[in-house]
Amino acid sequence: KAGVTQTPRYLIKTRGQQVTLSCSPISGHRSVSWYQQTPGQGLQFLFEYFSETQRNKGNFPGRFSGRQFSNSRSEMNVSTLELGDSALYLCASSLESSQTFNSPLHFGNGTRLTVT
Amino acid sequence: DAKTTQPTSMDCAEGRAANLPCNHSTISGNEYVYWYRQIHSQGPQYIIHGLKNNETNEMASLIITEDRKSSTLILPHATLRDTAVYYCIVRVRSGGADGLTFGKGTHLIIQP
Repeated sequence: KAGVTQTPRYLIKTRGQQVTLSCSPISGHRSVSWYQQTPGQGLQFLFEYFSETQRNKGNFPGRFSGRQFSNSRSEMNVSTLELGDSALYLCASSLESSQTFNSPLHFGNGTRLTVT
Repeated sequence: DAKTTQPTSMDCAEGRAANLPCNHSTISGNEYVYWYRQIHSQGPQYIIHGLKNNETNEMASLIITEDRKSSTLILPHATLRDTAVYYCIVRVRSGGADGLTFGKGTHLIIQP
């Protein structure tokens, strides 16, 4: 079974631009979560989508948004990029909503975003 | 979530079993023990999880003590590709309102 696929793998943007990251979950998984990982802050939860609905949102500004499509694929958008947004953005899928079940999260290899 | 304590680093010879300990003395009855690992420049990888009973899958075995206050992840025949940071997490659900968080973990180095 194919794993979680994230595209693109690397991205370089300048301050003020916006960016869209894509995630294809494992086939059959209905939940997609997004995380930001940096050396200083570690793994931080952005949001979770389940059946096209946002289930939970972490403590990030409104510049960070996402959506999920009917085929469970998900996109994350960051507008008005700041230098501090440079990070590894990880997508994780699970069979059921991670908010209510113990289905483990399966992560992709992430998109490395560099903001200059 | 219950707090976990793991050694900072461990070495293991290639081909031998790697035994990674985790203490979670404040675990509550409905909290699961999850193990993930992260190899440099890759996303975290789910390994195994369990509640009370020992668990085994194609990657590893998880041994949970009877009082559930500690557990051991066993990689039966470690290879160089098992060099990674291993995270032990205790929580009721895999995600939730605040998502999944990792502590410092154990840096496992497999020696040739």
